[in-house]
Amino acid sequence: DVKVTQSSRYLVKRTGEKVFLECVQDMDHENMFWYRQDPGLGLRLIYFSYDVKMKEKGDIPEGYSVSREKKERFSLILESASTNQTSMYLCASSLNKMGASTYEQYFGPGTRLTVT
Amino acid sequence: AQSVAQPEDQVNVAEGNPLTVKCTYSVSGNPYLFWYVQYPNRGLQFLLKYITGDNLVKGSYGFEAEFNKSQTSFHLKKPSALVSDSALYFCASYGNNRLAFGKGNQVVVIP
Repeated sequence: DVKVTQSSRYLVKRTGEKVFLECVQDMDHENMFWYRQDPGLGLRLIYFSYDVKMKEKGDIPEGYSVSREKKERFSLILESASTNQTSMYLCASSLNKMGASTYEQYFGPGTRLTVT
Repeated sequence: AQSVAQPEDQVNVAEGNPLTVKCTYSVSGNPYLFWYVQYPNRGLQFLLKYITGDNLVKGSYGFEAEFNKSQTSFHLKKPSALVSDSALYFCASYGNNRLAFGKGNQVVVIP
């Protein structure tokens, strides 16, 4: 089974702090994604990566950056946390090989971040 | 552009009754469609997908979904709902190497 793990289930940070959210997948997937989930808004894509050191902006990249130095790890960085970044953050991965892509994404358990 | 819409915020159903969660899509080309479920304080779990082939797709936990091209719909169904099916359900479509999700449907199964 695909396993996607996230470094923390719950996190509380202060306004202005630099925040790192880590995600690791163990299935050698090419694609990795970061979403935030807010009530009534569904899932919104922040950034995604289709290869090591590659990144693409999603729908709401402002205030966030990402890093992918190794294939299995995708980090989300909040350079200066603000209260409007209080949310549930979900990481996902998917297979993307020519002729073998399956398109569905596998999700981690989520990190509930509170910025005070 | 690709998008899906889930027109209902919440669906209430009595245990043992059929469950339907609605989804309509707007995509260019052939649609790749997905359903996910999210239990409280958990990540999303993949239920099923339609890529091509039979319009009736069977998935996990007894769920199925029917692809209807003329109505641009991909409704999720279960013949007999369980209390444990109470969760948040998301429809999604694939395009440009990413998924676009609907806003989600809260399903409440009443004992």
